[in-house]
Amino acid sequence: NAGVMQNPRHLVRRRGQEARLRCSPMKGHSHVYWYRQLPEEGLKFMVYLQKENIIDESGMPKERFSAEFPKEGPSILRIQQVVRGDSAAYFCASSPLTDDFTEAFFGQGTRLTVV
Amino acid sequence: QQQVKQSPQSLIVQKGGISIINCAYENTAFDYFPWYQQFPGKGPALLIAIRPDVSEKKEGRFTISFNKSAKQFSLHIMDSQPGDSATYFCAALPGTYKYIFGTGTRLKVLA
Repeated sequence: NAGVMQNPRHLVRRRGQEARLRCSPMKGHSHVYWYRQLPEEGLKFMVYLQKENIIDESGMPKERFSAEFPKEGPSILRIQQVVRGDSAAYFCASSPLTDDFTEAFFGQGTRLTVV
Repeated sequence: QQQVKQSPQSLIVQKGGISIINCAYENTAFDYFPWYQQFPGKGPALLIAIRPDVSEKKEGRFTISFNKSAKQFSLHIMDSQPGDSATYFCAALPGTYKYIFGTGTRLKVLA
């Protein structure tokens, strides 16, 4: 059973370009979470999605950032018109659909560098 | 209230020694306290976790001590090994999905 798969592992974008980060959850998991880790800081919650639904996007910047988790395919975190401050590691986590809380499993992250 | 304060920022321990990392929180709604281990270039991996109804949990060389009244919890790594060198994050969960992470402790175990 493969873990949470994120790609690309590293992404370099020039200021003003768009960045697309992909996350395939673990098999059987239908909850996806995105976190951002700035250098020398802990992970900060961005958004929580279920298939075709955004459940909580309270941690997402109001502009330029969007996320989706379509019925088919991976979850996508999209950053438009990137700026230097967007440089960070972006981690995706997934958990199964249950009534009780279960542990979320993290992917290896996408390291975005904006030049 | 949503913060988890972690200390120290960095820690150097001799092989075989005990590594201790501390975290403190304010929000009494937190009810799940995991510790994550992160190696360079990798994602965080769950190490050990505790709920506030117990004061201590041990798994191998790793122990969480939990003080509910003081709102503090700590990670103890016994017989620390060079392979334990990594960044450790404490986290807290307020009964939902939104992990609140500490700022991390960079541990280096000297051979």
